[in-house]
Amino acid sequence: SQKIEQNSEALNIQEGKTATLTCNYTNYSPAYLQWYRQDPGRGPVFLLLIRENEKEKRKERLKVTFDTTLKQSLFHITASQPADSATYLCALVMGSNTGKLIFGQGTTLQVKP
Amino acid sequence: SQTIHQWPATLVQPVGSPLSLECTVEGTSNPNLYWYRQAAGRGLQLLFYSVGIGQISSEVPQNLSASRPQDRQFILSSKKLLLSDSGFYLCAWSVLRGSSPLHFGNGTRLTVT
Repeated sequence: SQKIEQNSEALNIQEGKTATLTCNYTNYSPAYLQWYRQDPGRGPVFLLLIRENEKEKRKERLKVTFDTTLKQSLFHITASQPADSATYLCALVMGSNTGKLIFGQGTTLQVKP
Repeated sequence: SQTIHQWPATLVQPVGSPLSLECTVEGTSNPNLYWYRQAAGRGLQLLFYSVGIGQISSEVPQNLSASRPQDRQFILSSKKLLLSDSGFYLCAWSVLRGSSPLHFGNGTRLTVT
């Protein structure tokens, strides 16, 4: 069956360090992969999109990689800050016309000062 | 700019009662519209999506239904709520392009008692 897996355990890191979150998928061949941030009690907010022919994408302190051979995406936050504490969701685009996204369960990041 | 409104923010309903959650989008035309549900500690589950007025696709068989009476209005309904319908319901929109991000509302926290 098709699966998207993110580390369900919370990731705790010290302020200033680089946080790395993992998204693995099986039995998909997605054209795009997206990352979202979700704060408690709020809807997810889009962060980055990476296409299957892109190896890496950057936006300020964020970096996303996409390895279609390993079926894995890594999400990095450099120089992390306590304000980066949130749950981060990866999502695969399933329908090129409908824009349907299938989400992973998310990984909660806690950045300690 | 585009905005999405979802209400109510919280709702407590008894088992067997009806449900109507409404979502409206402003500032865009002919959006794709989506209803997701997020159970506690779980990922987002796609319930329904719509690519146009009156066009509804259901992803998961369940006790819920959706309607799109106007271009920018999406309604989630139930005739009789079950305990298992409790959760965090999120409405989202995207443009008609597979790679475009989803823009989420702030959700409705539904508790069925």
